[in-house]
Amino acid sequence: GAGVSQSPSNKVTEKGKDVELRCDPISGHTALYWYRQSLGQGLEFLIYFQGNSAPDKSGLPSDRFSAERTGGSVSTLTIQRTQQEDSAVYLCASSPRDVRNTGELFFGEGSRLTVL
Amino acid sequence: AQSVTQLGSHVSVSEGALVLLRCNYSSSVPPYLFWYVQYPNQGLQLLLKYTSAATLVKGINGFEAEFKKSETSFHLTKPSAHMSDAAEYFCAVSGNTGKLIFGQGTTLQVKP
Repeated sequence: GAGVSQSPSNKVTEKGKDVELRCDPISGHTALYWYRQSLGQGLEFLIYFQGNSAPDKSGLPSDRFSAERTGGSVSTLTIQRTQQEDSAVYLCASSPRDVRNTGELFFGEGSRLTVL
Repeated sequence: AQSVTQLGSHVSVSEGALVLLRCNYSSSVPPYLFWYVQYPNQGLQLLLKYTSAATLVKGINGFEAEFKKSETSFHLTKPSAHMSDAAEYFCAVSGNTGKLIFGQGTTLQVKP
């Protein structure tokens, strides 16, 4: 597709279960970001991948959260032992170049996670 | 490290009035600064960006922002609000990597 694709669009899970959220960036985009959007919390930075560099994981809120990017393309965000406070919309974004020069982030439509 | 503070989670203006959305940043290196807008049920789109060229930056839909290093600010303005400007606005900062940090957002309400 032409845009950033995220799946699933909606996920309802029980507390304590693991979930995986997937992001397919735009082909050729070297930068990939994950953010969490909660009501009143804005966009919380989670992790940033740029090319073959080591990812910047400084935003991951706990060791229950992890992410990987395979082959410089698809990324998976994994949340283990989910908690109710993990409920949010998880947004993926990609950029073709260094965002500092363009500011152009292309966002997916998000994965809405609800933990019961 | 970089951070952004947006002053005021909700701003309400009358149609035709000045829009002023406040953003202050913290950065240990010269910052790159951005404003994004999120219309209801839509994704984020870039309004404007500051990348160390002119300090007064013009963006889409009549918005502009001024970089003031002495005040560590990057406030967003528009001379005359339209109803269609009602949305959530996010300020963002990047430093010496491509990591992009967003503020908590300001919801702009425009009253007729």
